Amino acid sequence: AQKITQTQPGMFVQEKEAVTLDCTYDTSDPSYGLFWYKQPSSGEMIFLIYQGSYDQQNATEGRYSLNFQKARKSANLVISASQLGDSAMYFCAMREKGYGNNRLAFGKGNQVVVIP
Amino acid sequence: EAGVTQSPTHLIKTRGQQATLRCSPISGHTSVYWYQQALGLGLQFLLWYDEGEERNRGNFPPRFSGRQFPNYSSELNVNALELEDSALYLCASSAGRTSVQETQYFGPGTRLLVL
Repeated sequence: AQKITQTQPGMFVQEKEAVTLDCTYDTSDPSYGLFWYKQPSSGEMIFLIYQGSYDQQNATEGRYSLNFQKARKSANLVISASQLGDSAMYFCAMREKGYGNNRLAFGKGNQVVVIP
Repeated sequence: EAGVTQSPTHLIKTRGQQATLRCSPISGHTSVYWYQQALGLGLQFLLWYDEGEERNRGNFPPRFSGRQFPNYSSELNVNALELEDSALYLCASSAGRTSVQETQYFGPGTRLLVL
């Protein structure tokens, strides 16, 4: 079963505007971590932001914030004031607790193109 | 501080050959992870090494193997290459704690093309 779902088609965003990328997840584990990564065309995965399942507040990291709705099992990434350099694929990932389970499960990604 | 490094950046092989990919983790990190990103399939977990031991592997055949050296660097070996092994292979490292908040930091990847 797919653990992370990212279903939005490719998005075009005007420079300086905000964009929201959807991510829903599936787990029965009460303890888990959610991550967002950015992958530009060069291929490297760049860590953006983390949200823990027990965190009371939504995570923020500079222009990135996470809209975490635990009951809905969603963890949407919000990028404020988009810049041309934000053009990339964005991946949502989850890590569940449990020894021997350090793997990250990734969604299929959201393509974002920022236009001037 | 240097990030995760991988070599080579590109690798071209023919079917049936063997490929060896290398990864050096961030200094102080003991865990190394390998992921495969094939076109249309997203990132798939391959292997996790920590303190020199293989701790977990994904749903890949045994011809995908690797090892971790005493300096925590790692090799991924792919034997009997098949066309569908063509992909971007990403290595990541972390401090190795089994915590859900443990962040994995990725290298630039090795693009393997099998002809």
